[in-house]
Amino acid sequence: EPEVTQTPSHQVTQMGQEVILRCVPISNHLYFYWYRQILGQKVEFLVSFYNNEISEKSEIFDDQFSVERPDGSNFTLKIRSTKLEDSAMYFCASSGSSVRGTEAFFGQGTRLTVV
Amino acid sequence: AQRVTQPEKLLSVFKGAPVELKCNYSYSGSPELFWYVQYSRQRLQLLLRHISRESIKGFTADLNKGETSFHLKKPFAQEEDSAMYYCALDDNAGNMLTFGGGTRLMVKP
Repeated sequence: EPEVTQTPSHQVTQMGQEVILRCVPISNHLYFYWYRQILGQKVEFLVSFYNNEISEKSEIFDDQFSVERPDGSNFTLKIRSTKLEDSAMYFCASSGSSVRGTEAFFGQGTRLTVV
Repeated sequence: AQRVTQPEKLLSVFKGAPVELKCNYSYSGSPELFWYVQYSRQRLQLLLRHISRESIKGFTADLNKGETSFHLKKPFAQEEDSAMYYCALDDNAGNMLTFGGGTRLMVKP
């Protein structure tokens, strides 16, 4: 069964450094998403991406964040100048449609720890 | 702005007992609601969505617009149902999910 794959599973970085979180969505999906979950808090939407453009973004997704689909398979989240409060589990998801009610398929997550 | 509330962080029941995981939402439009489940060391996966009106693994959920609720129910809990359950609402943009805080279900033998 096709799955969304995220690498690495755990990333430790020093405050102020840049990190890139990588995701390989399901191959025939066209809609991609990033969510994050700070420990003990809700899963929060960050951004959606379609046709090489951001479709929607939340207030969390400020200039510190960027997304890219550098090739036909990868979807990346870049966090510049990381802060302690960026420590969270980051989930990538993909779907085959943007129609409401469509299932989003999630990756297993990347745990980012900023020290 | 939309909001999803799961009032219970933890729900513990014995095997064979009925289960109800509560979910309330706040949304100005017509909601599309989901239940996602995360078993231990596994990824978030869709359990069911209200639009399908389906029963998955014995679970059902009915949308009650009057009470703005979408509670998840199962008549007889099994140990393998132990997991984290998240209620989520899909906004008008499609697949921008707003999640509740999650409820950890523990089914004891």
